[in-house]
Amino acid sequence: GAGVSQSPSNKVTEKGKDVELRCDPISGHTALYWYRQRLGQGLEFLIYFQGNSAPDKSGLPSDRFSAERTGESVSTLTIQRTQQEDSAVYLCASSLFLETDTQYFGPGTRLTVL
Amino acid sequence: KQEVTQIPAALSVPEGENLVLNCSFTDSAIYNLQWFRQDPGKGLTSLLLIQSSQREQTSGRLNASLDKSSGRSTLYIAASQPGDSATYLCAVRQSLQSISNFGNEKLTFGTGTRLTIIP
Repeated sequence: GAGVSQSPSNKVTEKGKDVELRCDPISGHTALYWYRQRLGQGLEFLIYFQGNSAPDKSGLPSDRFSAERTGESVSTLTIQRTQQEDSAVYLCASSLFLETDTQYFGPGTRLTVL
Repeated sequence: KQEVTQIPAALSVPEGENLVLNCSFTDSAIYNLQWFRQDPGKGLTSLLLIQSSQREQTSGRLNASLDKSSGRSTLYIAASQPGDSATYLCAVRQSLQSISNFGNEKLTFGTGTRLTIIP
């Protein structure tokens, strides 16, 4: 079936605006992850969902970042009052509950904050 | 806190050569280690996964080794091809004993090695 999809693929916004990034995981994958990749840096873990619950939010960099998941499916990462340092590629991944070693990644959303 | 480092940051080699990419991690209490490939504009693709009890894994022209006690892993690519050009990332998953709460599914990634194979 279809892989993990993310939208939009690219987003340019002005500093101070809010943005929403969407992730559609593989159907049936109960685990969902958000990562951030800033230029020249490794992937940073942001948040992990098991079903609609987020047992690990340890990576969210500030209270401007939030995420939710509904129907054990689509997830939205929201960044409020964007700052230039938020510019990055935001990657989403999903996996089966008992196979969390095998994370399937989406193509990412490239966010540019001017 | 686990830190994962990859050296070199970039590597260019002529087509046909064998090459080695390096990954080191500071906390040896890992559950497993994965090597991923990242192509521009695309997501990550898992190449090899080594469990903490294993020493190496092989898939085609790729061989990954793991020395947990020294905190090192290598990815060996034989007979390189232009299609191997990509960024290679290693990532570790912590073992249950080294974390205090649910969430050991988190992967800690290295900064990557950007590989260019010159035709």
